[in-house]
Amino acid sequence: DVKVTQSSRYLVKRTGEKVFLECVQDMDHENMFWYRQDPGLGLRLIYFSYDVKMKEKGDIPEGYSVSREKKERFSLILESASTNQTSMYLCASSLMDRRETQYFGPGTRLLVL
Amino acid sequence: GEDVEQSLFLSVREGDSSVINCTYTDSSSTYLYWYKQEPGAGLQLLTYIFSNMDMKQDQRLTVLLNKKDKHLSLRIADTQTGDSAIYFCAERSDSSASKIIFGSGTRLSIRP
Repeated sequence: DVKVTQSSRYLVKRTGEKVFLECVQDMDHENMFWYRQDPGLGLRLIYFSYDVKMKEKGDIPEGYSVSREKKERFSLILESASTNQTSMYLCASSLMDRRETQYFGPGTRLLVL
Repeated sequence: GEDVEQSLFLSVREGDSSVINCTYTDSSSTYLYWYKQEPGAGLQLLTYIFSNMDMKQDQRLTVLLNKKDKHLSLRIADTQTGDSAIYFCAERSDSSASKIIFGSGTRLSIRP
């Protein structure tokens, strides 16, 4: 079974704080993704990575950065959290093969005060 | 650009069939997916269909694809309370092998 884990289920941070969201997958997947999920907007892709140290911007990268130093770990960083970054953050991973679907972690619900 | 649309809410009676509809715009879509998200959880793949198929059945789930109209549907037979969730339609196109485009999700609620 594929397992994608996220470091926290719930986080509360203050405006201006630096926030790290960690994601780990145990199936040797090449691709990893960070999404945010907001009511009525579905999932929006923030960043993805198709290899170690490689990253590509998704649809809404502003205010975020990522780090992929090891294949199994993909970190999402909010350099200076703002209230409009309050959201559910979902990590996913997949194999490089285009036939493969994405496997999701349980999500981190972030509240920025 | 690519877009996937679905209605936000659906309410059905327990034991009835649920039909969740989705439309997409990318004519080069190769794979279409249905994901289920239960409260407080991540997304779980329910089923998928290749673009060269019209229908796929898996126990209580039936996926229908009308490629000409770019319309995808998910039918859940004998809907149970455990089917209450948000259902996401998603598509992957030839033009973007790694990215999957998700719809906004349909919240399915079951009434007794």
